[in-house]
Amino acid sequence: LAKTTQPISMDSYEGQEVNITCSHNNIATNDYITWYQQFPSQGPRFIIQGYKTKVTNEVASLFIPADRKSSTLSLPRVSLSDTAVYYCLVGEDDYKLSFGAGTTVTVRA
Amino acid sequence: SAVISQKPSRDICQRGTSLTIQCQVDSQVTMMFWYRQQPGQSLTLIATANQGSEATYESGFVIDKFPISRPNLTFSTLTVSNMSPEDSSIYLCSVYTKGKETSTDTQYFGPGTRLTVL
Repeated sequence: LAKTTQPISMDSYEGQEVNITCSHNNIATNDYITWYQQFPSQGPRFIIQGYKTKVTNEVASLFIPADRKSSTLSLPRVSLSDTAVYYCLVGEDDYKLSFGAGTTVTVRA
Repeated sequence: SAVISQKPSRDICQRGTSLTIQCQVDSQVTMMFWYRQQPGQSLTLIATANQGSEATYESGFVIDKFPISRPNLTFSTLTVSNMSPEDSSIYLCSVYTKGKETSTDTQYFGPGTRLTVL
């Protein structure tokens, strides 16, 4: 499984856009990029998945450059309830997940 | 998508005892997984539990310590045996199934079982 590197923590304020960049230099051709969100005392929750270019859903956007060696999760206009740990995972199959340390995002009023 | 419940939600146990954690899914799924999340840490995969076959354990985890049952496509149990304080963690089950949010399959996690061993 490709190793990922992401910032340990990020601080933001309500209403701002939060961008979390994940580095995955050894990503393989068949690998997808998946992001999960974990609130305290809960299991991780799937946010978004992509292979290349841009993917958007009602929660977030995922930007993937052409070389796919990194990806950026964008959370538009965050609120206090977006305070969580965000995990970037890379792999061919979504059923054997290897979680890194994740990025703790703290949103302040 | 899948709705997953776990029992118990939390427990405090004495050293040397065993605890069995139950995981129930609201739909039939082939692939089910057990993870451990130690305090302040990320998730670590313990084993894969597929119905009709023996569980497959990841490096560092053995069947004698973490026996798993998977009697049908909606249920699994994980037992933490002969517990020590180092086993204090959150234990989560997950399933791999089709999601509403994506055209591909993905994992859904249960709420976790918080275990404290004294």
